[in-house]
Amino acid sequence: AQSVTQLGSHVSVSEGALVLLRCNYSSSVPPYLFWYVQYPNQGLQLLLKYTSAATLVKGINGFEAEFKKSETSFHLTKPSAHMSDAAEYFCAVSGETSGSRLTFGEGTQLTVNP
Amino acid sequence: NAGVTQTPKFQVLKTGQSMTLQCAQDMNHNSMYWYRQDPGMGLRLIYYSASEGTTDKGEVPNGYNVSRLNKREFSLRLESAAPSQTSVYFCASSEGQGPYYGYTFGSGTRLTVV
Repeated sequence: AQSVTQLGSHVSVSEGALVLLRCNYSSSVPPYLFWYVQYPNQGLQLLLKYTSAATLVKGINGFEAEFKKSETSFHLTKPSAHMSDAAEYFCAVSGETSGSRLTFGEGTQLTVNP
Repeated sequence: NAGVTQTPKFQVLKTGQSMTLQCAQDMNHNSMYWYRQDPGMGLRLIYYSASEGTTDKGEVPNGYNVSRLNKREFSLRLESAAPSQTSVYFCASSEGQGPYYGYTFGSGTRLTVV
């Protein structure tokens, strides 16, 4: 079985500051990892995904994430926050034993202060 | 360019009433899913359909039934609604059954059971 833990249900940063959203995974098989973003009253949108091709994955809107097997982590970063980045972010995992089913973390609400 | 379409967007039910949430995708995806989203709990899988003609239980199936009507449509039925089923419901689809595809989400149905 796979699971993910997102550290920090709320993160607050200033506009222009580094964004760091933490995700740790647990998996008995090689994981596939995803970050999704949810803007208010909308569905989830894929930011990026790790599928073992490269450990540093670049996504949309300037976000990137690095897969670190030794730390079982897949943290999401962005060098400079914009007001428009304010949203809820979800980490998710799948694996060969779960097929296409994703298991989601509890989410991190990102606030960007002017 | 519709993607995944969910209807209705909002619904209020009385305890004991029944209703069906509709979901349709136009991307020729094979797999479809129903999740519920509750504050602080992330998204939890209710039911999924790996391919046309198949359905399986997810993490929280009690009180729900599903129908994969054809490749495009996957409906979720609440036979006797309970206040505990107040939630936001998301339908999603993925291209195939492998663990690396990720999902495309609908915009959600906000259900309140009073």
